[in-house]
Amino acid sequence: GQNIDQPTEMTATEGAIVQINCTYQTSGFNGLFWYQQHAGEAPTFLSYNVLDGLEEKGRFSSFLSRSKGYSYLLLKELQMKDSASYLCAVSPPGGATNKLIFGTGTLLAVQP
Amino acid sequence: SAVISQKPSRDICQRGTSLTIQCQVDSQVTMMFWYRQQPGQSLTLIATANQGSEATYESGFVIDKFPISRPNLTFSTLTVSNMSPEDSSIYLCSTGGHEQFFGPGTRLTVL
Repeated sequence: GQNIDQPTEMTATEGAIVQINCTYQTSGFNGLFWYQQHAGEAPTFLSYNVLDGLEEKGRFSSFLSRSKGYSYLLLKELQMKDSASYLCAVSPPGGATNKLIFGTGTLLAVQP
Repeated sequence: SAVISQKPSRDICQRGTSLTIQCQVDSQVTMMFWYRQQPGQSLTLIATANQGSEATYESGFVIDKFPISRPNLTFSTLTVSNMSPEDSSIYLCSTGGHEQFFGPGTRLTVL
């Protein structure tokens, strides 16, 4: 089975850096995804990690440690528009077009 | 990137009725998925829609309640049958791949 844990809520200040952690226990692993979801909107893709290490994409970076079952999403230079839910999702083995198992999501509030 | 549209965007339905949600992708995709997002919660996978074969359902979801069609590589439908208020949710379709894209969702309210 799969178990994916994230903090429920976080608060951070505009201009700061925030790290959202995700831990997972899965029966197999084919990659870890991070999505951003604003209220009332569909999730939008942020990052995909399948190998250990850090993937950087602008203000957002994602880290993966497969041996520890651990990932984090790092958001730098926070902006008010970054207030959203951040969803960690794991892809079970089966190929690149596989399904996603989502964590509970972390609601991030960015304050002035 | 894939562009995905869903119809309807929202609906209010009576208990005991059924609603069919359509999902259209602007390019051919091998896999399509249907998710449910209940109020204030994360996404839960309902099933994988396979072209040319029956859908594969996750634990807790059955074909009689959520029949799925996948007539070609760009289109799929999900029907929510014999609805109850507990089915009130957002239903989203998505495509497979390393960068999975989601449709805008269908917000369903069952009275």
